[in-house]
Amino acid sequence: DQQVKQNSPSLSVQEGRISILNCDYTNSMFDYFLWYKKYPAEGPTFLISISSIKDKNEDGRFTVFLNKSAKHLSLHIVPSQPGDSAVYFCAASASQGGSEKLVFGKGTKLTVNP
Amino acid sequence: EAQVTQNPRYLITVTGKKLTVTCSQNMNHEYMSWYRQDPGLGLRQIYYSMNVEVTDKGDVPEGYKVSRKEKRNFPLILESPSPNQTSLYFCASSPGGYSNQPQHFGDGTRLSIL
Repeated sequence: DQQVKQNSPSLSVQEGRISILNCDYTNSMFDYFLWYKKYPAEGPTFLISISSIKDKNEDGRFTVFLNKSAKHLSLHIVPSQPGDSAVYFCAASASQGGSEKLVFGKGTKLTVNP
Repeated sequence: EAQVTQNPRYLITVTGKKLTVTCSQNMNHEYMSWYRQDPGLGLRQIYYSMNVEVTDKGDVPEGYKVSRKEKRNFPLILESPSPNQTSLYFCASSPGGYSNQPQHFGDGTRLSIL
């Protein structure tokens, strides 16, 4: 039972354009969402997060949007740069559920072409 | 330098031979966690710890043990490793005792169980 789904295994965009990475979740108890970026041979690094009390959070070129009714969030990268090429993981936690598990999606590999 | 250190980085061993992967963080973080990354499956949480002597199961705890006797260390123990535990393992830590805080990841430990 996959609670956090990233249905696109890969995405390719041109430098300077917008990258949109999507994430869907099934557990309505999730109330905090995080995006991590991972380069080969390195551990994931935190990118941006959003609480369920918000519908948007922005940090420089990165914006995360949350649509609670659709149980959907997306990460927008504008403008995309070749250095953004990495695997992006969406993760979710449920602080009210009595558990401090963190559930990750399978990841989307982003390639930004020069 | 703030970091999460895992050892060893690489290990090839045989079925049934007990092994321990160490994880240490120097940031005085309460929350620590272990993940495994497998192709097509993304990151899956094995165990987590909200503080000293407080541990709980993640999504894939079978075949693993952990302990948290002191705040900085969170070793992962495979009592009787099997080939299906061949994977890339990551340790992570975050401030506070909650999963919704951004986690700092180690660089990973690649285990091969023959």
